[in-house]
Amino acid sequence: AQSVTQLGSHVSVSEGALVLLRCNYSSSVPPYLFWYVQYPNQGLQLLLKYTTGATLVKGINGFEAEFKKSETSFHLTKPSAHMSDAAEYFCAVIASSYNTDKLIFGTGTRLQVFP
Amino acid sequence: NAGVTQTPKFQVLKTGQSMTLQCAQDMNHEYMSWYRQDPGMGLRLIHYSVGAGITDQGEVPNGYNVSRSTTEDFPLRLLSAAPSQTSVYFCASSYSSGWTGELFFGEGSRLTVL
Repeated sequence: AQSVTQLGSHVSVSEGALVLLRCNYSSSVPPYLFWYVQYPNQGLQLLLKYTTGATLVKGINGFEAEFKKSETSFHLTKPSAHMSDAAEYFCAVIASSYNTDKLIFGTGTRLQVFP
Repeated sequence: NAGVTQTPKFQVLKTGQSMTLQCAQDMNHEYMSWYRQDPGMGLRLIHYSVGAGITDQGEVPNGYNVSRSTTEDFPLRLLSAAPSQTSVYFCASSYSSGWTGELFFGEGSRLTVL
């Protein structure tokens, strides 16, 4: 079965500092990996995704993530945090080669940005 | 652009009552799903559908029923509500099967069961 583990339920950074949100996956087959963001009292929206090809994926709002098979990781980064980045972030995985439609989410990381 | 519409946004039930959470999308999406969100547990898949007349179970299906009679609608039924079903429920849809990962979410329905 596929799963993702997000390390750290809360991350706090200062405005302008590097953002690093960690995600490790478990999958017996090549995974498709995603990051979603949830702003307060809203649904989730897609930040970026990795399916095949380039392992460094760029998303919206200056975020990017790198798929590292050797480390089974898909960490999310942003060079310089902005106050508007405060939200909850979810990593998600789906098995690429199974005939499955189940997108499995991690437990989420809440990002706080201080001025 | 309506997107994915969920009703009601808030609901309070007593234990044993039944209710239906409504979900409608106007994007002609084949794939629709229901998740529940609980603190510290992220989002867990309840049921999903890959097209009209086709539904399947997710990670936590017990206590919930679904049907998909049209492409647009995917209601979630609680036949006998329990306090453990207190949660925020999200409906999400996608152009095709869920593997694309580009789910479009509704704004959520907050359910409290007393």
